[in-house]
Amino acid sequence: EDQVTQSPEALRLQEGESSSLNCSYTVSGLRGLFWYRQDPGKGPEFLFTLYSAGEEKEKERLKATLTKKESFLHITAPKPEDSATYLCAVQARGSGNTGKLIFGQGTTLQVKP
Amino acid sequence: NAGVTQTPKFRVLKTGQSMTLLCAQDMNHEYMYWYRQDPGMGLRLIHYSVGEGTTAKGEVPDGYNVSRLKKQNFLLGLESAAPSQTSVYFCASRARGTNTEAFFGQGTRLTVV
Repeated sequence: EDQVTQSPEALRLQEGESSSLNCSYTVSGLRGLFWYRQDPGKGPEFLFTLYSAGEEKEKERLKATLTKKESFLHITAPKPEDSATYLCAVQARGSGNTGKLIFGQGTTLQVKP
Repeated sequence: NAGVTQTPKFRVLKTGQSMTLLCAQDMNHEYMYWYRQDPGMGLRLIHYSVGEGTTAKGEVPDGYNVSRLKKQNFLLGLESAAPSQTSVYFCASRARGTNTEAFFGQGTRLTVV
């Protein structure tokens, strides 16, 4: 069964304290892995897509990496405005032409000034 | 640039009542999805559509029906609401193709009492 697990569930950081969020996946062939940011009361907002092991993408203080079993979202010198829930999702090869995504439970990040 | 718009944003229903949630997208996307988000459960797929006139069941379809009569609209219906359907509902759309990003609406918070 295709599955996505994120850890930790919640993370509290001081401003400037770098850390990483983990997304472990078990799928029957990975077509793509997606990271989203979700602010309270809003819908998820797209951050990155990773396609193959070894790939990395960056956006401001965020950097996403991918291996054959997991992805990391590295947050460098975070600011309070980085506080949000970060969601990981995968599209498996078994999804065919449906474009279906399987989501993890999310990691809620709080950055204190 | 409206993107994905959900109507209504909030709703309180009594057990047994029916309602329809409307999702409209203006990006000419082929794929549309309805998810529900519950604490600790992540986003779970209810129903989806890969094109006008087509729908399919997702992970948690029981108690819901959908219709996609027009390409830009995807309707989610609750025929007889139950307290277990209290949740936040998100609609999303994606363009056809591998690894296209999904765009989400702002969500509908539904409470069934």
